[in-house]
Amino acid sequence: GENVEQHPSTLSVQEGDSAVIKCTYSDSASNYFPWYKQELGKRPQLIIDIRSNVGEKKDQRIAVTLNKTAKHFSLHITETQPEDSAVYFCAAASWNTDKLIFGTGTRLQVFP
Amino acid sequence: DGGITQSPKYLFRKEGQNVTLSCEQNLNHDAMYWYRQDPGQGLRLIYYSQIVNDFQKGDIAEGYSVSREKKESFPLTVTSAQKNPTAFYLCASTPQGASNSPLHFGNGTRLTVT
Repeated sequence: GENVEQHPSTLSVQEGDSAVIKCTYSDSASNYFPWYKQELGKRPQLIIDIRSNVGEKKDQRIAVTLNKTAKHFSLHITETQPEDSAVYFCAAASWNTDKLIFGTGTRLQVFP
Repeated sequence: DGGITQSPKYLFRKEGQNVTLSCEQNLNHDAMYWYRQDPGQGLRLIYYSQIVNDFQKGDIAEGYSVSREKKESFPLTVTSAQKNPTAFYLCASTPQGASNSPLHFGNGTRLTVT
């Protein structure tokens, strides 16, 4: 079945450094890749997304890259701030089922 | 997101009892989804519905049931057949399906079964 793997499970960085989270997917029909941020006790919220016809997308300090051939996609956060501390989830949706499958999450801690 | 309401926020039940979690949206979205969240396991798809009167099983549908009689509502019933029902349950909706547009999540219901 469909599967999304996410690494690392935890990530600690110093304020101002960059953070990178990587995901791989298995379903060749995957065409939409959103990233969600979840703060403690709150619901997941979309931070950025990318479609399969695009290789890279950037929004201020956040960027996502997609390699369809390798079935890899990554989240890049630059100039990290303490408020970036949260759990981040990647996900992949398939055009033929409309199922959205999530990775297991990355807990990011940004130390001042 | 004020457009998706899950109730109640906390729910306690005794083992062996069925329990229904409510999810209502006023966003006029066609598609609705139920996920279960356990520590360290991310969000796992239980059921989803792309249109009224139709729904599909997700990856962990066993022990759960749903209905979609109205566009606005997608209740989830956790039956006594679900072996580990204690979890955080999240409902979400999207205009045209998850492959076209992002999910909007409710605030979740934390279910504890003892």
